[in-house]
Amino acid sequence: GAVVSQHPSRVICKSGTSVKIECRSLDFQATTMFWYRQFPKKSLMLMATSNEGSKATYEQGVEKDKFLINHASLTLSTLTVTSAHPEDSSFYICSARVVVGQLNTEAFFGQGTRLTVV
Amino acid sequence: QKEVEQNSGPLSVPEGAIASLNCTYSDRGSQSFFWYRQYSGKSPELIMFIYSNGDKEDGRFTAQLNKASQYVSLLIRDSQPSDSATYLCAVPPWAGNTGKLIFGQGTTLQVKP
Repeated sequence: GAVVSQHPSRVICKSGTSVKIECRSLDFQATTMFWYRQFPKKSLMLMATSNEGSKATYEQGVEKDKFLINHASLTLSTLTVTSAHPEDSSFYICSARVVVGQLNTEAFFGQGTRLTVV
Repeated sequence: QKEVEQNSGPLSVPEGAIASLNCTYSDRGSQSFFWYRQYSGKSPELIMFIYSNGDKEDGRFTAQLNKASQYVSLLIRDSQPSDSATYLCAVPPWAGNTGKLIFGQGTTLQVKP
């Protein structure tokens, strides 16, 4: 299957600093990538849809100035958590879309990034 | 009502038994349904997807879809301890083919040796 690489896998940062997470599609071009957030023992919550060459589409309740998304190329999307605070500590996961049929797509996930803000 | 609902469990079955995981969804227009497995601390991995009513089998896994009842299930035959994980049901909302997936809260499966 398609390979999506996410980096870093773990990051610890001080409150008030910014953290950048990268998501790369290694063997295919992804015009659309998705960023999810997952709290312990909870499901994945879609944060935003990242579109190559255009602005990201954010889900309701997600602060776009807090979570900056850049999709500058067909193989790379980045999520920057700006001025991170302890409540931003979470597991962040990206996925890339692969079309498998006229109506359907398949999502391949990166390995996830465990962010801890201290 | 949540868009995609699953019983959070845990569901505990003995090794070798059949594990049955259930999922209901609210969007009648949804066309495809995905089951993911997620081990603790890891990202989800796709097990299988189903588009048509009825059953779809892949090895020890069988997905069952009933669009009239808005219900999709995953059966795991001959359950193994390595199957112990959280199983996530995911459904793309029918608002065009955007590639979005809405996830249920996941069911934790424990297979006891």
